[in-house]
Amino acid sequence: SYELTQPPSVSVSPGQTARITCSADALPKQYAYWYQQKPGQAPVLVIYKDSERPSGIPERFSGSSSGTTVTLTISGVQAEDEADYYCQSADSSGTWVFGGGTKLTVL
Amino acid sequence: QLQLQESGPGLVKPSETLSLTCTVSGGSISSSSYYWGWIRQPPGKGLEWIGSIYYSGSTYYNPSLKSRVTISVDTSKNQFSLKLSSVTAADTAVYYCVVGATAVGFCYWGQGTLVTVSS
Repeated sequence: SYELTQPPSVSVSPGQTARITCSADALPKQYAYWYQQKPGQAPVLVIYKDSERPSGIPERFSGSSSGTTVTLTISGVQAEDEADYYCQSADSSGTWVFGGGTKLTVL
Repeated sequence: QLQLQESGPGLVKPSETLSLTCTVSGGSISSSSYYWGWIRQPPGKGLEWIGSIYYSGSTYYNPSLKSRVTISVDTSKNQFSLKLSSVTAADTAVYYCVVGATAVGFCYWGQGTLVTVSS
């Protein structure tokens, strides 16, 4: 089965850059999507099509892709960015898969 | 701006069928621009896609749940629903209804509803 692997946790100080990776275990990689989830809230889409940002999402959120790895980058991290982040993609049969999630801690 | 609201029992007995409904407001469930789905999250754990239904009526389900899942649409009520049969404690989770758009991902989410499987 198709799997997406994320680091369980990432820690950064305010103002620094956080990078969260998501690795697919097979080719071809479909588009990737990123969601932010704060405690007690529903997830929010922050990146789609690997690197596109929905309206209303701050410019400090960006996405990139290289081979079978996609990366969510948060530049100038703020305290409010502390949350769980999930990547999502699909296999060739249209089955959606989520990564295990990464807890971003702002020190 | 679409808004979604899940409804259904918060407690289901083991071996019974979990049934949830998602009511859509702010747009038509008959729109070809979107697809509709369900995602769940066990307490303290990550997200798990359950399945999706498209404008064409085609359904796609998580292979690990496929034998127990049915997703359907009721256009007259602007709702879509989830049925998960033969539930066990492992099905205890917050269930989210979601709306997706092609190459955009799941762009609208309901607030989520906790369903506990217990006798």
